[in-house]
Amino acid sequence: GQSLEQPSEVTAVEGAIVQINCTYQTSGFYGLSWYQQHDGGAPTFLSYNGLDGLEETGRFSSFLSRSDSYGYLLLQELQMKDSASYFCAVRDLSNQGGKLIFGQGTELSVKP
Amino acid sequence: GAVVSQHPSWVICKSGTSVKIECRSLDFQATTMFWYRQFPKQSLMLMATSNEGSKATYEQGVEKDKFLINHASLTLSTLTVTSAHPEDSSFYICSARESPGPYTFGSGTRLTVV
Repeated sequence: GQSLEQPSEVTAVEGAIVQINCTYQTSGFYGLSWYQQHDGGAPTFLSYNGLDGLEETGRFSSFLSRSDSYGYLLLQELQMKDSASYFCAVRDLSNQGGKLIFGQGTELSVKP
Repeated sequence: GAVVSQHPSWVICKSGTSVKIECRSLDFQATTMFWYRQFPKQSLMLMATSNEGSKATYEQGVEKDKFLINHASLTLSTLTVTSAHPEDSSFYICSARESPGPYTFGSGTRLTVV
């Protein structure tokens, strides 16, 4: 099976940088994804790492180390609108089409 | 990019009645769709994988007779919550993937059973 661990909550101030870590245990690895979800909304895709290293998309970056079964999401120049829940997720290809398994989520609160 | 539409966005129903939720892939064909349930302040828990033209695959602990899934076309999957009870009140979200892109989610359905 698959399991992912991430901190339950993180607090930071506007303009700061915050890192959300994710460790995973999987039977087979097919990449680590990150999603953002605002209260009452749908999860939206932020970033994906299939190989080791850093992926950068604007203010958001994601890092993966497959040997450590570890990744993180880095949010720079934090804005109030970044207050949301952030989920890491892995694909499970044990059934056709694959399925996405989520971590428990990290609630980020950005303070003025 | 890929768009997934989900309806209704919210529904209130009486205990014992059934509710149908629709999930459509708007600009791509999805042979597989996924249904999740999310309780407040919790993660998305996969309920089942919907397969076009065949039976859905349910996750352990999910009652297939209670959560009926139909995937009759390449763009539509439906989830019917049968004989709903207050404990079924939750946020239900569907997802699909247009390969090789990321998984895209519907806007979710907030179900309240009274």
